[in-house]
Amino acid sequence: DQQVKQNSPSLSVQEGRISILNCDYTNSMFDYFLWYKKYPAEGPTFLISISSIKDKNEDGRFTVFLNKSAKHLSLHIVPSQPGDSAVYFCAAHNAGNNRKLIWGLGTSLAVNP
Amino acid sequence: NAGVTQTPKFRILKIGQSMTLQCAQDMNHNYMYWYRQDPGMGLKLIYYSVGAGITDKGEVPNGYNVSRSTTEDFPLRLELAAPSQTSVYFCASSYARGAGRGTEAFFGQGTRLTVV
Repeated sequence: DQQVKQNSPSLSVQEGRISILNCDYTNSMFDYFLWYKKYPAEGPTFLISISSIKDKNEDGRFTVFLNKSAKHLSLHIVPSQPGDSAVYFCAAHNAGNNRKLIWGLGTSLAVNP
Repeated sequence: NAGVTQTPKFRILKIGQSMTLQCAQDMNHNYMYWYRQDPGMGLKLIYYSVGAGITDKGEVPNGYNVSRSTTEDFPLRLELAAPSQTSVYFCASSYARGAGRGTEAFFGQGTRLTVV
């Protein structure tokens, strides 16, 4: 039972264009969402987060949008750079279940020069 | 600026052997975590600790043990290794736990473990 779903296992975009990574969740008790980036042979690194009381959070080239009614969030990277090529994980914090963090399976982004 | 350090990076174990995965952080974080990531899967929490002397089970604790005698160190012990424990193991730490600023976790580079 995957409570955090990243339905696109991979995404390929051209350098300079926008990358949009999507994440859907099923549990209305999730109150905080995080995106992590992971390069091969390294641990995940925190990228950006958003609270459920907001609908947008921006940090430089990265923006996360949250649509609570649709239980959907997306990460926008503009403009995309080759160094953004990595696996991106969406994670959701469950306020109700001992404050667990539930992870999606990840989306592999390839930014082509 | 070490952050979270894990050793070893790679290890091959035979079925039934035991080993300890080491994890140390130098950020004075109270919260530490052990995750495993199986191929094509997300991260699953094995154990976590909210401070020295306090540990608790995560989603997949069976076959593992932890201890937290200091703020800095959080070793993960595998007893009687099984092929199902073949995975990449990540240690992480955070300043706080829950939702909001300070709860983002810092991860080590991972330990790739194969049990044959």
